Amino acid sequence: NAGVTQTPKFRILKIGQSMTLQCTQDMNHNYMYWYRQDPGMGLKLIYYSVGAGITDKGEVPNGYNVSRSTTEDFPLRLELAAPSQTSVYFCASSPLVKVETQYFGPGTRLLVL
Amino acid sequence: AQSVSQHNHHVILSEAASLELGCNYSYGGTVNLFWYVQYPGQHLQLLLKYFSGDPLVKGIKGFEAEFIKSKFSFNLRKPSVQWSDTAEYFCAVNSARIYGGSQGNLIFGKGTKLSVKP
Repeated sequence: NAGVTQTPKFRILKIGQSMTLQCTQDMNHNYMYWYRQDPGMGLKLIYYSVGAGITDKGEVPNGYNVSRSTTEDFPLRLELAAPSQTSVYFCASSPLVKVETQYFGPGTRLLVL
Repeated sequence: AQSVSQHNHHVILSEAASLELGCNYSYGGTVNLFWYVQYPGQHLQLLLKYFSGDPLVKGIKGFEAEFIKSKFSFNLRKPSVQWSDTAEYFCAVNSARIYGGSQGNLIFGKGTKLSVKP
């Protein structure tokens, strides 16, 4: 199993541009999450999903959108990139039985200039 | 506000030294507690977790943590660190009991960087 995969690994965006960060898991997990990690600030939850078709806001959802059309995929959309969105983005998933145990992807480093 | 506090931003140790990283949370109810590790250039991995039962929890790679309810603490320990333990360590608490939402949601501390000198 590949686990949780994320693309791209690194991206530079100009202010106002849009992009989609991809996340895929092959473990058939119901729960998926998007976090951002800023230096010295730990991880903050952006959005989460408890299953296909169901998403909800986390702690810092402004400026982002998500969708969950399949169990495997949970893309994160930035519509109008801002410098404040420069961060490392991690996707994670967890199974229904042990929902508190999250498995993380390798991360996407985003720089907005 | 409910939070998870990690007191040390950066810890520098020599190999074979003992390690203790502090973690305190501010929620007074029942919580699930976790320690994650992020090695340089890698993604977060679960080190250990506490749900209930024995407050001394053993994890991978010789790490352990002790849950002390009266102190709202979940400190991470290792008797003898190795150079390969150089990483960033994150304490986390299950947030569903605090904020609602998904049972899997976690609140993370800001992390502690550990540098082990060979």
